[in-house]
Parts: sequence; C-alpha cells; structure tokens
Amino acid sequence: DAKTTQPTSMDCAEGRAANLPCNHSTISGNEYVYWYRQIHSQGPQYIIHGLKNNETNEMASLIITEDRKSSTLILPHATLRDTAVYYCIVRTRGSQGNLIFGKGTKLSVKP
Amino acid sequence: NAGVTQTPKFQVLKTGQSMTLQCAQDMNHEYMSWYRQDPGMGLRLIHYSVGAGITDQGEVPNGYNVSRSTTEDFPLRLLSAAPSQTSVYFCASTLGAAGDSEQYFGPGTRLTVT
Repeated sequence: DAKTTQPTSMDCAEGRAANLPCNHSTISGNEYVYWYRQIHSQGPQYIIHGLKNNETNEMASLIITEDRKSSTLILPHATLRDTAVYYCIVRTRGSQGNLIFGKGTKLSVKP
Repeated sequence: NAGVTQTPKFQVLKTGQSMTLQCAQDMNHEYMSWYRQDPGMGLRLIHYSVGAGITDQGEVPNGYNVSRSTTEDFPLRLLSAAPSQTSVYFCASTLGAAGDSEQYFGPGTRLTVT
C-alpha cells in the first residue's frame, strides 16, 4: 500500500471548515483513500473513503486531486467534538482488509 | 447491534503471566483483526482473520496467539506477558476482506505489564 504524508497538527476555529491535507504521491490505480479519526484514545472511527471521485457523507467531504496524488478531508462546520487525530490511509482493494496507520494529524478545534 | 465489544477494559499483568483479551462482534462480519497502539503512535496490526478457522499474522505477531472458531469471536492470547506488551489493544471487524469497506473498532483494552 502507498505511504501517506500528513501534517503533524492543525488548528481550526469552531464553526469554520477544517481542511485536512494528505499526500499519497505513490498511489496506484486500484488503491482507495480512507480517512479515520480517533477521539481521545477511543477506537478509530471511519469517516469516508474514495477512489477517484469526490465523495460526501453526513460527516465530511473528500476531495481527491485529478492525478490522485493528494486529497483533502473537509469537515464543513467543525465543532469542539471534532478535536481528534485524523488518519489518512491508502488501501488496496483486496488487501485483506488491513489498515496501515501513520501518526495522523492532530486537529484541535478551538472556541 | 452492540457492534464490536472488547473485554476487559483495563488489565494489569505481571511479567510472565498469560491472559486472553476478548473480542466479539454481532454484525456477521467475515474479517476481524487485532491492533496495538503505543503512546503517540498509530495502530499496528497484530493478527487478522478472514473467516472462521482462518487466521494470519500481521506486522507485530510475536508473543500473541489467535484463533477463530466462530464468526462472532476473535480472542487474542498473550502467552507470557512482557513489559513491551504494555499498550492499548483494539479489535476491529469489517464485512468483507476486499479492502473497500469500512472497519468498525472496539473501545480498546488498556494493558499494563509490570
């Protein structure tokens, strides 16, 4: 699976959009981009995933560049409860379901 | 649905003791896995199973055993606990092993080995 690069930490004001970047320059055509988050040492929580099209669900939007070498997770109206570590993971279809976690981005939402 | 449940939530062991961390899911998921998370680090895969009777090693399998006799349960056994196994352990499950579905994680077991 391709490696990912994320900033170590980011701040966001409550009520504003949080834009979390991820670089995955070695991604191949059959690899998905997944986002999970971990709130205060709880179990990781799935947010969203995509292959090449932009995706949106009730939690977030995922924007993938046309060359698929980077992506951005957007939390449209961040709240204090969105403070967490966010993991960007590239995962191969048929990869036996394994996830390879990096250190992620610590997002702090401030009042 | 209870989702993925783990017991116990906390455990303290002495070096050399053995124990079993329990994991169960009620979503009829084929794929289950165990991760460990050390302070300030991401999760690392210990063992996984793609279905009842089938298990395989992940990135850090040494010192741990698993078995999968039913779809619902996937216990993790520490054979002889060592201080290096002090960590938070997470169990996860997903519907299929195809790599394109979300994983559901349990709340974790916090293990300290003295």
